[in-house]
Amino acid sequence: AQSVSQHNHHVILSEAASLELGCNYSYGGTVNLFWYVQYPGQHLQLLLKYFSGDPLVKGIKGFEAEFIKSKFSFNLRKPSVQWSDTAEYFCAVNGPSNTGKLIFGQGTTLQVKP
Amino acid sequence: GAGVSQSPSNKVTEKGKDVELRCDPISGHTALYWYRQSLGQGLEFLIYFQGNSAPDKSGLPSDRFSAERTGGSVSTLTIQRTQQEDSAVYLCASSPGWETQYFGPGTRLLVL
Repeated sequence: AQSVSQHNHHVILSEAASLELGCNYSYGGTVNLFWYVQYPGQHLQLLLKYFSGDPLVKGIKGFEAEFIKSKFSFNLRKPSVQWSDTAEYFCAVNGPSNTGKLIFGQGTTLQVKP
Repeated sequence: GAGVSQSPSNKVTEKGKDVELRCDPISGHTALYWYRQSLGQGLEFLIYFQGNSAPDKSGLPSDRFSAERTGGSVSTLTIQRTQQEDSAVYLCASSPGWETQYFGPGTRLLVL
């Protein structure tokens, strides 16, 4: 069965620090990959997605992620975080056969100190 | 435009009672999903509807859980004989196909 692993459960950074959140998935076939974000008191929103093509994808608010097929990874990065990036981040995979069903990682809580 | 809406936003019920949770997807979206978000379990897939196809029920945790989607639009998730372990946030999402899913605000269910 597919699974998604997020290595960092709780990350605390100061503003302007760089961010990298790890995500690994278990499925070896064709997958679609997503990062969703949940700001305090808000619902899940799509941050970025990878379906095919350039493995470096850019999302909203300066976030980017790199798909490395050989490592089954899709790590999320941001060069300089802001206090407003405080949120919970979820990595998710969709596959096989594009069934639509998303398998989520456990989530990473990011706290940015002003 | 209008996003995915869910009702009620909060529900408190007693153990053993039945509850119904409602989801209104984005107009025109053919796919509708239910997920559950709970402490210690993260976000779990429950059920998926795509057009007129038979739903994918592979994530439903027990036969106390059921869902239907009427007219290809509104969906209702029903939990019968609720248990305390059913306490969670129930999330609905819709998508125009199999791609990006748009999530609603969720229904927070507390079973006493």
